[in-house]
Amino acid sequence: GENVEQHPSTLSVQEGDSAVIKCTYSDSASNYFPWYKQELGKRPQLIIDIRSNVGEKKDQRIAVTLNKTAKHFSLHITETQPEDSAVYFCAASPGNTGKLIFGQGTTLQVKP
Amino acid sequence: DGGITQSPKYLFRKEGQNVTLSCEQNLNHDAMYWYRQDPGQGLRLIYYSQIVNDFQKGDIAEGYSVSREKKESFPLTVTSAQKNPTAFYLCASTGGFARSPLHFGNGTRLTVT
Repeated sequence: GENVEQHPSTLSVQEGDSAVIKCTYSDSASNYFPWYKQELGKRPQLIIDIRSNVGEKKDQRIAVTLNKTAKHFSLHITETQPEDSAVYFCAASPGNTGKLIFGQGTTLQVKP
Repeated sequence: DGGITQSPKYLFRKEGQNVTLSCEQNLNHDAMYWYRQDPGQGLRLIYYSQIVNDFQKGDIAEGYSVSREKKESFPLTVTSAQKNPTAFYLCASTGGFARSPLHFGNGTRLTVT
């Protein structure tokens, strides 16, 4: 079945710096790659997603890139702010069931 | 919240007891999912349902059971056969089967002692 590996598990940056989180997936049939942000004790919330027919997508300070050949995708956050501190999860969707397979999560800490 | 309601927020049970977690959605979504979250392990899929009266096992279905008698409801029962039931349980739904984001409920934190 699909497996998603996410790195790093923890990331600490200074406010204003960029943060990059990387994920790899195993199932070449995966065609949808969302990223979720989860604050402590709360539900995951979608921040950006990308479909397999697109290589890059941006939304203000957040961007996601996808390399289908290498089966990896990355989240880029620029000009980080303390409120970006949270756990970030990548996910991949194999086939047409709609289910998502999640990475292990990255705890991002943005220091003021 | 967000059209998906999970109740209760906190649940405490004694070992050996079955417990049912509620999940209701008013988004008119066909597909619903149950995930379990443990520290450092991300979200793992327990069961999912794409249509009423049908559901499939996820990656960690052992010790759990579900039903989907109504489109709006997808309750999860944690049975006494589940060896490590203490966790944060998240219910989600989506309106499309493919390439659609999941909408999550606020979760139920289950503690079994």
